[in-house]
Amino acid sequence: DADVTQTPRNRITKTGKRIMLECSQTKGHDRMYWYRQDPGLGLRLIYYSFDVKDINKGEISDGYSVSRQAQAKFSLSLESAIPNQTALYFCATSDLPSREQFFGPGTRLTVL
Amino acid sequence: RKEVEQDPGPFNVPEGATVAFNCTYSNSASQSFFWYRQDCRKEPKLLMSVYSSGNEDGRFTAQLNRASQYISLLIRDSKLSDSATYLCVVPNNAGNMLTFGGGTRLMVKP
Repeated sequence: DADVTQTPRNRITKTGKRIMLECSQTKGHDRMYWYRQDPGLGLRLIYYSFDVKDINKGEISDGYSVSRQAQAKFSLSLESAIPNQTALYFCATSDLPSREQFFGPGTRLTVL
Repeated sequence: RKEVEQDPGPFNVPEGATVAFNCTYSNSASQSFFWYRQDCRKEPKLLMSVYSSGNEDGRFTAQLNRASQYISLLIRDSKLSDSATYLCVVPNNAGNMLTFGGGTRLMVKP
């Protein structure tokens, strides 16, 4: 079984809809991250959490919110989706800040 | 200077060739470095960690040059299956996060 899972894997939605992406991990890591990746661009950090209920903004947090209610789960919400939020979203975990991160399989989101 | 910089490529090489990528970083205090591999539309996966001067794993060698602040990835005897994007990853300037480079795309041709 995968250590880091994401649901859904693919989602098509319309402008203005609220969307939630879920991430779960069985690695026992305290640190979790949400990134987005656009074609031809690198990974950009949206939000990160170092512990339950700890929330920190990343490079591109506008238009997104997150929730960390349990060590194993970190959810990302788009309150009112817009087309330029169409991207591939990855969740990742790590046990220390400068140690390697482990990624989920990604969620492909399309906003029409 | 950007925290992490990579040549985006693509590097087009024939099977069996040796290819090397460089990555420059700005945080002179960085102690750990990583190379990740990302296949098209898949998640990045750790390829190698570099904690000292270098690391070797089969056909892959990562080297660190602290004086010039760059790390390199050398792939010997390239295989078709090596075709992917290689991401250079270093701690950010604050040392509390990893920063991912934009990636270097490698295409190995028959």
